[in-house]
Amino acid sequence: DTAVSQTPKYLVTQMGNDKSIKCEQNLGHDTMYWYKQDSKKFLKIMFSYNNKELIINETVPNRFSPKSPDKAHLNLHINSLELGDSAVYFCASSQEGLNYGYTFGSGTRLTVV
Amino acid sequence: AQSVTQLDSQVPVFEEAPVELRCNYSSSVSVYLFWYVQYPNQGLQLLLKYLSGSTLVESINGFEAEFNKSQTSFHLRKPSVHISDTAEYFCAVSGGSNYKLTFGKGTLLTVNP
Repeated sequence: DTAVSQTPKYLVTQMGNDKSIKCEQNLGHDTMYWYKQDSKKFLKIMFSYNNKELIINETVPNRFSPKSPDKAHLNLHINSLELGDSAVYFCASSQEGLNYGYTFGSGTRLTVV
Repeated sequence: AQSVTQLDSQVPVFEEAPVELRCNYSSSVSVYLFWYVQYPNQGLQLLLKYLSGSTLVESINGFEAEFNKSQTSFHLRKPSVHISDTAEYFCAVSGGSNYKLTFGKGTLLTVNP
């Protein structure tokens, strides 16, 4: 049983396309996150949802839109993809209080060509 | 706001040698501190954490880290490394009520035979 699962694992697409990445957690956590890891391995938070409510929205282009239909799911939709969007996107979840830190998914490697 | 500085981007060592990966943080509030490990083409796994209490924390695979409030540090150590410890190590800090984890830029530990 995968605790935090992301799909797809790899995504290759052309500039200008719209794509979505899905994330699901079965840990019963109440908070979920999207992080972007660039080619230099730097991890930067993009969004966070707590019980379906947006609580963190870092400086991210409007082309990125998160959606949380319930507290176990957090999807990321990207419009009009650009070359600079190429990165690994990680979903994570945590329980309030961070007693167990974050649990990360295995990542989605997005390549825009 | 908090920030994390990992002073070494790469640390090469020989097998069975001791290693220290350095991490310094800054924060205006009390912090939680974490070390994560990322093996090639995988997600991040929690290695150990400091939330409160004893300033020396240990992982199940022989790593330890010490929280030093006066020096705002949380260095990671292992007395004898194995080739399987080769990975990217990330220090992270969380402070405040929104549980956002801010990561350092990572340290690539390479263990050579």
